[in-house]
Amino acid sequence: DAKTTQPTSMDCAEGRAANLPCNHSTISGNEYVYWYRQIHSQGPQYIIHGLKNNETNEMASLIITEDRKSSTLILPHATLRDTAVYYCIVRVDWSGGSNYKLTFGKGTLLTVNP
Amino acid sequence: DAGVIQSPRHEVTEMGQEVTLRCKPISGHDYLFWYRQTMMRGLELLIYFNNNVPIDDSGMPEDRFSAKMPNASFSTLKIQPSEPRDSAVYFCASSPDSATNEKLFFGSGTQLSVL
Repeated sequence: DAKTTQPTSMDCAEGRAANLPCNHSTISGNEYVYWYRQIHSQGPQYIIHGLKNNETNEMASLIITEDRKSSTLILPHATLRDTAVYYCIVRVDWSGGSNYKLTFGKGTLLTVNP
Repeated sequence: DAGVIQSPRHEVTEMGQEVTLRCKPISGHDYLFWYRQTMMRGLELLIYFNNNVPIDDSGMPEDRFSAKMPNASFSTLKIQPSEPRDSAVYFCASSPDSATNEKLFFGSGTQLSVL
């Protein structure tokens, strides 16, 4: 799976949009971009994933550049409860039972300040 | 659904003792994963199962670690004998078998301390 590069930490003011970047310059055509987050003392939580189109759900939006070498996770109105480590992961397409690995890097610690 | 259930929540044991961690996946999920998390190494995949069959155990650190999944609703991760360097948070996760629903659902983890 392609490697990702994320900033170690970021700060955001409560109520503002949080934009978390991720570089994945070696991504392959069949690799998806996934975002998970881990709130302190909890297990990781799925946020969103996409292949090449921008995606939005109730938690966040995912913007993938046209060349797919980078992406941005957007939390439109960050709250204190969004303080967590955010992981950007790229992995190959689900392939019927094989190669079903999700490899976590170091992630970005997002701190939402009051 | 109650989500992925892990037990115990915390485990403190002495070096050399056997430790068994337990996991109940979400009903209907075909995949089960065991991860370990430490400050130094982050989240590491140890092993995963598909329909109760181990698919990839390349992340299991050594023979002291073993994992089983006797049925679709239960899995164990055993460490025998335990060592202080095994101290970590162990997470279990499950996922449905679907090309359009590749989410992993994690449990709350077991905090293991080996003294």
